[in-house]
Amino acid sequence: AQKVTQAQTEISVVEKEDVTLDCVYETRDTTYYLFWYKQPPSGELVFLIRRNSFDEQNEISGRYSWNFQKSTSSFNFTITASQVVDSAVYFCALSEAGVQKLVFGQGTRLTINP
Amino acid sequence: DVKVTQSSRYLVKRTGEKVFLECVQDMDHENMFWYRQDPGLGLRLIYFSYDVKMKEKGDIPEGYSVSREKKERFSLILESASTNQTSMYLCASSFPGLLGFNEQFFGPGTRLTVL
Repeated sequence: AQKVTQAQTEISVVEKEDVTLDCVYETRDTTYYLFWYKQPPSGELVFLIRRNSFDEQNEISGRYSWNFQKSTSSFNFTITASQVVDSAVYFCALSEAGVQKLVFGQGTRLTINP
Repeated sequence: DVKVTQSSRYLVKRTGEKVFLECVQDMDHENMFWYRQDPGLGLRLIYFSYDVKMKEKGDIPEGYSVSREKKERFSLILESASTNQTSMYLCASSFPGLLGFNEQFFGPGTRLTVL
């Protein structure tokens, strides 16, 4: 069975601090996909990244970076030099190959204080 | 830009009422999904559809049904609303992937309150 765990329910940091959001997943499949979504106060989930299980290269996009480690079944998300606009709920999600649906984690509410 | 719209942002209904939540996407996506979002539980899949008139149960289909008569429209129906169906409902759509799964595009959500 698939499962995604985001153990951090809420994180609060001061602007310009770096922050890491943890994501741990469980799957029996060898081929799967991992996602991160951002949900700002407006409510609409925004896609951030998709990685497949065969690509363990870390990814960097501006202030955002993702660390995928199959050995620990983790797909962590780091925001460098955080900004107030980064305040949102962040979701990690998993899908297995051939399965047309996502399993989401519980979400982490990130608050960046000025 | 992909646009997924939902008929209402806020809805208040009474116990026992029949409730329709509508979702429309404009990108010709085959897949459409309905989720509910509750604090501490993340998003849970209610139903999804991979083609017109096709539907599949998700993880929590009890108390819900769906309808997809046109490719762009996917409706969620609460046959007899109950207070435990008070939640945020999110619609999403995507293209199907050959092996995996393409990213889903989400609507703004409908916050439903059942009194």
